[in-house]
Amino acid sequence: DQQVKQNSPSLSVQEGRISILNCDYTNSMFDYFLWYKKYPAEGPTFLISISSIKDKNEDGRFTVFLNKSAKHLSLHIVPSQPGDSAVYFCAASERGSTLGRLYFGRGTQLTVWP
Amino acid sequence: SQTIHQWPATLVQPVGSPLSLECTVEGTSNPNLYWYRQAAGRGLQLLFYSVGIGQISSEVPQNLSASRPQDRQFILSSKKLLLSDSGFYLCAWTADSNQPQHFGDGTRLSIL
Repeated sequence: DQQVKQNSPSLSVQEGRISILNCDYTNSMFDYFLWYKKYPAEGPTFLISISSIKDKNEDGRFTVFLNKSAKHLSLHIVPSQPGDSAVYFCAASERGSTLGRLYFGRGTQLTVWP
Repeated sequence: SQTIHQWPATLVQPVGSPLSLECTVEGTSNPNLYWYRQAAGRGLQLLFYSVGIGQISSEVPQNLSASRPQDRQFILSSKKLLLSDSGFYLCAWTADSNQPQHFGDGTRLSIL
């Protein structure tokens, strides 16, 4: 059972425009959410995170929004650049667990074209 | 700064052969360590995790095993590989459960 879902396998955006990647989760115990970026033949790279006590976190061109009532989060990239083309994974965890296990979505392939 | 190393980067093995993938972390002590597998078109599936030397937990029953002989060394093994073991294997570490996990560059394993 997929507890973290990314329903769009791909997204194509023109350079300079906004990219919005979406993620839904089902487990109400999740309180820590992360986005990873992955290039082919490389491991995922941590991008940005948000705790459930917040509804927004910004880091440069990247902003993550959390809607706890809808169990939905999104990653906004503004402005999008060709170098942002990669697979983006959403992940979630329960911070109180000693394991810190992450549950991942299946990823969204973002393509930014000139 | 902390770094994580995985090797080999790619591996082609025949069915029935053994497997050993190694992961080491530098620049930190007593990390939590994880092995994941990404099958084609799928997300990352957690295989094993370890919170200390000799402490291994498995998430799913499978043909693989893991060991942690040293604090910053995590090994993924199999005695006899199956075709279904093909995939992209990733090692990750974190200082504690409140921090992001950081991944190695992975091993692409192809079983023939």
